[in-house]
Amino acid sequence: GENVEQHPSTLSVQEGDSAVIKCTYSDSASNYFPWYKQELGKRPQLIIDIRSNVGEKKDQRIAVTLNKTAKHFSLHITETQPEDSAVYFCAASSMNYGGSQGNLIFGKGTKLSVKP
Amino acid sequence: DTEVTQTPKHLVMGMTNKKSLKCEQHMGHRAMYWYKQKAKKPPELMFVYSYEKLSINESVPSRFSPECPNSSLLNLHLHALQPEDSALYLCASSPLLAGGPYNEQFFGPGTRLTVL
Repeated sequence: GENVEQHPSTLSVQEGDSAVIKCTYSDSASNYFPWYKQELGKRPQLIIDIRSNVGEKKDQRIAVTLNKTAKHFSLHITETQPEDSAVYFCAASSMNYGGSQGNLIFGKGTKLSVKP
Repeated sequence: DTEVTQTPKHLVMGMTNKKSLKCEQHMGHRAMYWYKQKAKKPPELMFVYSYEKLSINESVPSRFSPECPNSSLLNLHLHALQPEDSALYLCASSPLLAGGPYNEQFFGPGTRLTVL
């Protein structure tokens, strides 16, 4: 089955700096890669996703890149703000996982702290 | 309505109690999920319903019993839980798109469960 590794586990940046979180996956059949932001005590919120037929996607200050050959994908946040502080989870969706389509396998999460 | 809702927000129960968690969505999604999330960990998949049929049971103990009465509702019945079952229980839903496993999952706010 699919396995997703996420690094770093914690990341502290100064306001205005960029933050990068990296994930690798094991199943070459995975073709959907979402990123979730979870603030303390709240639900995971989908912030951006990328499909395997695209190499990069951008939404304002957030971008995601995908390297299918190397099986890794990254989240880039530019001009970070204190409200970006949260735990970020990457995930991969594998067609082969348990014989079911589309179930998400999560990375362990990155706690991002943005200092004012 | 573009949200997944869950009730109750908080639940405290004893090990001999029977209780139920409820989840509802009106987005026409045909896949619904139960996840368990412990502090500082990613969501852990418990059950998946596709077209109101149980398609995945991730070896969850029988003290957790899911039910999908219709395409908008998902229940999780709890009986004889253990203190280690205390966690945030998240419901999610996603469209089942023809032709691919692309599965944007949208999470509810969760039920914070404490087992005494």
